[in-house]
Amino acid sequence: RKEVEQDPGPFNVPEGATVAFNCTYSNSASQSFFWYRQDCRKEPKLLMSVYSSGNEDGRFTAQLNRASQYISLLIRDSKLSDSATYLCVVNTPMEYGNKLVFGAGTILRVKS
Amino acid sequence: EPEVTQTPSHQVTQMGQEVILRCVPISNHLYFYWYRQILGQKVEFLVSFYNNEISEKSEIFDDQFSVERPDGSNFTLKIRSTKLEDSAMYFCASTPRDSYGYTFGSGTRLTVV
Repeated sequence: RKEVEQDPGPFNVPEGATVAFNCTYSNSASQSFFWYRQDCRKEPKLLMSVYSSGNEDGRFTAQLNRASQYISLLIRDSKLSDSATYLCVVNTPMEYGNKLVFGAGTILRVKS
Repeated sequence: EPEVTQTPSHQVTQMGQEVILRCVPISNHLYFYWYRQILGQKVEFLVSFYNNEISEKSEIFDDQFSVERPDGSNFTLKIRSTKLEDSAMYFCASTPRDSYGYTFGSGTRLTVV
């Protein structure tokens, strides 16, 4: 089983649509969880951290279910500028420190 | 907003040559990392660095790779004898705490010919 698994998409949606991305992770010892956004050939940029209680930042809502090892991201009222690859990222403990484990990403294309 | 700075943005090198990729992490951050992304693939962990020493490294980070923090601001990744398969984007990242989200630099595109 992959450490972090995402539906690769692409998701092609019209402006204004609501779109949801899902992610599962395999290491139950993972401690913190994030969604990053990556534009073509650019660095990953932190979109938001994900908490068990669920958290919202404007049009973006993230949810974590530790029992199912499942993470989600909901984007409401999609904008053209939301077009990017969305990376599910899990901070996973190693022997002496942590590392971020990245999913392969879900491609979102928002069209007018 | 504080940034992680990487130089050069693009490096072309011949197979077998040594390269040094440079990074300036955010000044009050304590944990530093190198990740790489081969074109079309996912971002992969290479190495983490804390308190002036490597804390973790992946299987990718073999004897050809080394990291150094030569002064209080720079953090470098050296590849001693580059191979074609080392061609990738190399991202430096830093964070104030190991469990937080990281800030990534804009990357160095390494092309080995």
